[in-house]
Amino acid sequence: GNSVTQMEGPVTLSEEAFLTINCTYTATGYPSLFWYVQYPGEGLQLLLKATKADDKGSNKGFEATYRKETTSFHLEKGSVQVSDSAVYFCALREMDSSYKLIFGSGTRLLVRP
Amino acid sequence: NAGVTQTPKFQVLKTGQSMTLQCAQDMNHEYMSWYRQDPGMGLRLIHYSVGAGITDQGEVPNGYNVSRSTTEDFPLRLLSAAPSQTSVYFCASSGTAGSGGYTFGSGTRLTVV
Repeated sequence: GNSVTQMEGPVTLSEEAFLTINCTYTATGYPSLFWYVQYPGEGLQLLLKATKADDKGSNKGFEATYRKETTSFHLEKGSVQVSDSAVYFCALREMDSSYKLIFGSGTRLLVRP
Repeated sequence: NAGVTQTPKFQVLKTGQSMTLQCAQDMNHEYMSWYRQDPGMGLRLIHYSVGAGITDQGEVPNGYNVSRSTTEDFPLRLLSAAPSQTSVYFCASSGTAGSGGYTFGSGTRLTVV
């Protein structure tokens, strides 16, 4: 079945550092891809998405490009802030009639001042 | 606009007790899902629904039942609670197939003693 693999955390960075969180997927066809963010004690919020190959999703300084050649959707940010500390989840949406969302295991980001 | 509302936010159960976690959305979304979140395991799909009257099993359905009698509501029933069901439960909904993201509730933290 389809699946999503994320790099293990935690990722610890200093403020203003460059962030990359790796995400690869296994899927038939070309599913839509998502990044969700979960701040401490809260639910998940949609951060960005891409619906087809070579699409770039962006929001709040975060970006991710849908790469079908490498089946990847890595999350990047040029300069992280302490307020970016959270857990980040990569996900794909199934293309069958269920349209289920399949998640990676999540990557915790800790940004130090 | 309330979005996805989950109740209760916290619950402690004794082993063997039953209970229902409530989920309601006011966005007229067709697609609804229940996930559980455990440390280091990301979000795992319990049950999902593609419309009123239609439900199906996800990755970890054992010990849980669902029904979808209306578009708005998607309750999750624990039949006989076990300590292994201690987790944080999230309900989510989506109004579009394929490319749309899901909106998540704020979660229910369940402890089974």
